[in-house]
Order: sequence, then structure tokens, then C-alpha cells
Amino acid sequence: AQTVTQSQPEMSVQEAETVTLSCTYDTSENNYYLFWYKQPPSRQMILVIRQEAYKQQNATENRFSVNFQKAAKSFSLKISDSQLGDTAMYFCGVSEKLVFGKGTKLTVNP
Amino acid sequence: NAGVTQTPKFRILKIGQSMTLQCAQDMNHNYMYWYRQDPGMGLKLIYYSVGAGITDKGEVPNGYNVSRSTTEDFPLRLELAAPSQTSVYFCASSSDRHTYEQYFGPGTRLTVT
Repeated sequence: AQTVTQSQPEMSVQEAETVTLSCTYDTSENNYYLFWYKQPPSRQMILVIRQEAYKQQNATENRFSVNFQKAAKSFSLKISDSQLGDTAMYFCGVSEKLVFGKGTKLTVNP
Repeated sequence: NAGVTQTPKFRILKIGQSMTLQCAQDMNHNYMYWYRQDPGMGLKLIYYSVGAGITDKGEVPNGYNVSRSTTEDFPLRLELAAPSQTSVYFCASSSDRHTYEQYFGPGTRLTVT
């Protein structure tokens, strides 16, 4: 079974600062993928970043990066230089059938 | 490309009614998925399909049925609607299991009263 835990229901950050969202997971698969999706108020689900478990190098997409600790089954998302448009729900997900966490509501304050 | 489209956007059902949520994608993706998102919660997988004619259950399949007769379409059928099925339903697709990047539709908000 796959489970995903996001322990921070809500977070806030000032514009231009850095914030880290936490995610831990459990899976019985040997090879899997991890994701962060963003859901703004428009409700559209948008892929932010993806990490392949067999790759040790942490994935980076512009201002978004992850800290992937495979042994600890931890997959946190770091958002640098936060922008007002980053305000959204963020969901961590794992593997093919995309088990999601309950989400973290991020608010970026001006 | 329209991507993933879903109809209707909103629907109110009475208890015991049935309906079909439509989902179509024009990206020639083999994989398609149905999720539900309850208020304040993440997405839960209802059913998925790895190609035309092949479907499988996800985490919460009870009360739903699916079919996949073409690559493009993946309708979700609700039989005997119940208040517990009040949710936002998302359809998604991906090109293959190795990319895992899913493209989501805009969602259907369903209320059962």
C-alpha cells in the first residue's frame, strides 16, 4: 500500500522569501516517482516538479526544488523567491497510481 | 490541442439518480484516470485505464463504473447516487507509465442531495 503524509495543513510566507513544504511517504514499490502538484483557486491541477526515485540528484525547476531523502522516505518542496501566484494548495503524490497527500495550503503575503 | 476536457462542469443530482461524467483527451494518451476530491482533502483514485478496453480499480471504486472503448474517451458512471458521492471529480491522462506526468481536466463539481 502507498501512503502519503503532508504534516502542514497550512503555511504562509512573505513574498520573495523561501518556504519548504514537507512530505513523507511509504511505498512497497522498488522503482517509483514522486510529484508535487499545485492547485490554485481555479482548481486546475498543475505539475510543479517530479523526482524519479532511482535518481539521487534532487530535481529542480526554476524556483522550485526538492530535497529527496530516499532512506527516510521524505520528499520536501522548496519554493524560493516566493511570488503571489504561488498561493495555492500543494499536493505531494507518489508513483503510478498517484496516491496523494491531503495537501498544504500555501499563502504568499505581499 | 484542447487537452483533457470534462463535462459537465457542475451538476446536482437527487439521491438514487444516475449520471455519466464525460472525459475526453486529444493527446493520444494511453493512460487515463478518474479521481475525486472531497472538501479539504487530496485526490483519491477511483478507476484508471491503461488503454482501450482495459480498466482497473483504484482506491475508492465503490459506487462507480467505467468503460474505455476508445483511446480518447473515459466516462465515469455513477449508479444510484448517494450524498457521500458529493465531490469534485477530476479526469486525467498521461502518455505512458514512465513519464507519469498527468494532465488534468478542469473538474466536475457534483452535489447529491
